[in-house]
Amino acid sequence: GIQVEQSPPDLILQEGANSTLRCNFSDSVNNLQWFHQNPWGQLINLFYIPSGTKQNGRLSATTVATERYSLLYISSSQTTDSGVYFCAPGAGNMLTFGGGTRLMVKP
Amino acid sequence: NAGVTQTPKFQVLKTGQSMTLQCAQDMNHNSMYWYRQDPGMGLRLIYYSASEGTTDKGEVPNGYNVSRLNKREFSLRLESAAPSQTSVYFCASEQGYEQYFGPGTRLTVT
Repeated sequence: GIQVEQSPPDLILQEGANSTLRCNFSDSVNNLQWFHQNPWGQLINLFYIPSGTKQNGRLSATTVATERYSLLYISSSQTTDSGVYFCAPGAGNMLTFGGGTRLMVKP
Repeated sequence: NAGVTQTPKFQVLKTGQSMTLQCAQDMNHNSMYWYRQDPGMGLRLIYYSASEGTTDKGEVPNGYNVSRLNKREFSLRLESAAPSQTSVYFCASEQGYEQYFGPGTRLTVT
């Protein structure tokens, strides 16, 4: 199956700082999604991005499928951004989740 | 819209007991999924259903069965629970390659 590696595993930011989260994957994919799991456990879909770049407010994501990596950018971080960010590449219906990046934003 | 709902929220079972986790979505999505999340890890796919009447195995199907009862409902059954099945179980539905998750069921098997 696909191997997924996310970095860094843990990240602590001061409110207002920017950050970049990275996701490397081992195989060609036609599906890649980013999710945020808040401290209460709820999972929210951030992006469907098998290739290219998308932006949604302070968040943006870029996937370079030919080089098998994806990046999630968080700008002007807020305490509500805290939680775990998962990258999930896959083929068709089957996603493989990475181990996540645990982000803590301090006020 | 309630989105994706799951019942129960919490459950404690003894080894060997059986139970069914229920999931329903009101977004008219074709695809539905069951995942498990172990502490400190990402989600792993147990089973999925691309449409009403079809189900397929995911990465970790052993010990589980599923039923796609209709377009709205997708249930997960543990026939003989084992401590290794202690986990948080998430149901999701999908529209256009974007998955929407329920709140999860926290299951403990003693």
